[in-house]
Amino acid sequence: NAGVTQTPKFRILKIGQSMTLQCTQDMNHNYMYWYRQDPGMGLKLIYYSVGAGITDKGEVPNGYNVSRSTTEDFPLRLELAAPSQTSVYFCASSYTDRGRTEAFFGQGTRLTVV
Amino acid sequence: DAKTTQPPSMDCAEGRAANLPCNHSTISGNEYVYWYRQIHSQGPQYIIHGLKNNETNEMASLIITEDRKSSTLILPHATLRDTAVYYCIARNGGYQKVTFGTGTKLQVIP
Repeated sequence: NAGVTQTPKFRILKIGQSMTLQCTQDMNHNYMYWYRQDPGMGLKLIYYSVGAGITDKGEVPNGYNVSRSTTEDFPLRLELAAPSQTSVYFCASSYTDRGRTEAFFGQGTRLTVV
Repeated sequence: DAKTTQPPSMDCAEGRAANLPCNHSTISGNEYVYWYRQIHSQGPQYIIHGLKNNETNEMASLIITEDRKSSTLILPHATLRDTAVYYCIARNGGYQKVTFGTGTKLQVIP
């Protein structure tokens, strides 16, 4: 199993551009999450999904959109990129929402908006 | 989910046991204690979790106090590759309810 795979690993965007961060998992997990991590800070939840066709906002959803058309994929869309969106983005998945379940994280996408 | 408190940083000599504390005094009876670590801005990696009993796996041991208000993650023989930020999380529900704080930055010293 590859686990959680994120692409690209690095990206530089100009202000106002748009892009999609890709996330795919091969563990058949129902739950998927997008986090951002600013330098020296903890992870903040952007969006999450409890299954195909179902998504919901996390702590910091403004400026982002998501979709979940399949169990495997959970892309994160940035529209009109702003310097405040410069961050490292992590995708994660878990197979249930129960308290005894661990989450598996991707290796991150480092995004710079200039 | 219960709030957790961790020291911002710790040092440990290579080969020695690293004991990382976590306070979760408001934890409820059905909340698990989880530990993750993040090495050099990579994705967080699961280490171990427990409810009330002490737990051990190939990576670490988790000691939870009897009143469950605090816990300690033990890396029995720390190596330089254990240098990372360690996050303690108390949760019952999904990760959408979790706040990953700033964790403890463990520096293993040669």
